[in-house]
Amino acid sequence: GQQLNQSPQSMFIQEGEDVSMNCTSSSIFNTWLWYKQDPGEGPVLLIALYKAGELTSNGRLTAQFGITRKDSFLNISASIPSDVGIYFCAGRSVGNQFYFGTGTSLTVIP
Amino acid sequence: GAGVSQSPRYKVTKRGQDVALRCDPISGHVSLYWYRQALGQGPEFLTYFNYEAQQDKSGLPNDRFSAERPEGSISTLTIQRTEQRDSAMYRCASSYLAGGPPGELFFGEGSRLTVL
Repeated sequence: GQQLNQSPQSMFIQEGEDVSMNCTSSSIFNTWLWYKQDPGEGPVLLIALYKAGELTSNGRLTAQFGITRKDSFLNISASIPSDVGIYFCAGRSVGNQFYFGTGTSLTVIP
Repeated sequence: GAGVSQSPRYKVTKRGQDVALRCDPISGHVSLYWYRQALGQGPEFLTYFNYEAQQDKSGLPNDRFSAERPEGSISTLTIQRTEQRDSAMYRCASSYLAGGPPGELFFGEGSRLTVL
């Protein structure tokens, strides 16, 4: 099945630093979503984007839907220890399948 | 229900046995998706339904895998003649509208399958 290319694969940062991760695809999507997954849990939706060029914020999170509809990024500002986890991007295709990225593992050092 | 419910949470079976994994989506959600997730990887699409109709099964690895949702609510993913490579976390997700906004997926806690 299709998986999106997500980078970086892992990040180790100091508490308080900003984080940026991105996701690219060879296919066009009409919705981009960002999820966070804690160990032993299912992915939980953080932020959703519906239009090319859209920039959306949710607290310390900011995400953008790329103009080409083939990419998206997620920024986390002023990281805190509870931000630790694996972040996944997901794109919804015109056929309504949701394809997920390879994940970015985030470690926040207090 | 309040959330997506999956059962069993853990299943250990011997190679060659059949297994059935159940998913009860959020009440009123039209679309239901099945994913497989290996450790450290993103969810891999298997199949999805709108109501009782299976819309896409292109992600099912082979013909030992099948899924149904006969009444448009609860779904069952069946794996026949299990093999060790089938060991993984199987996740179900539901979405409120078929193809329209908000287009968000809500995941269950998953069924961990181990094939010995």
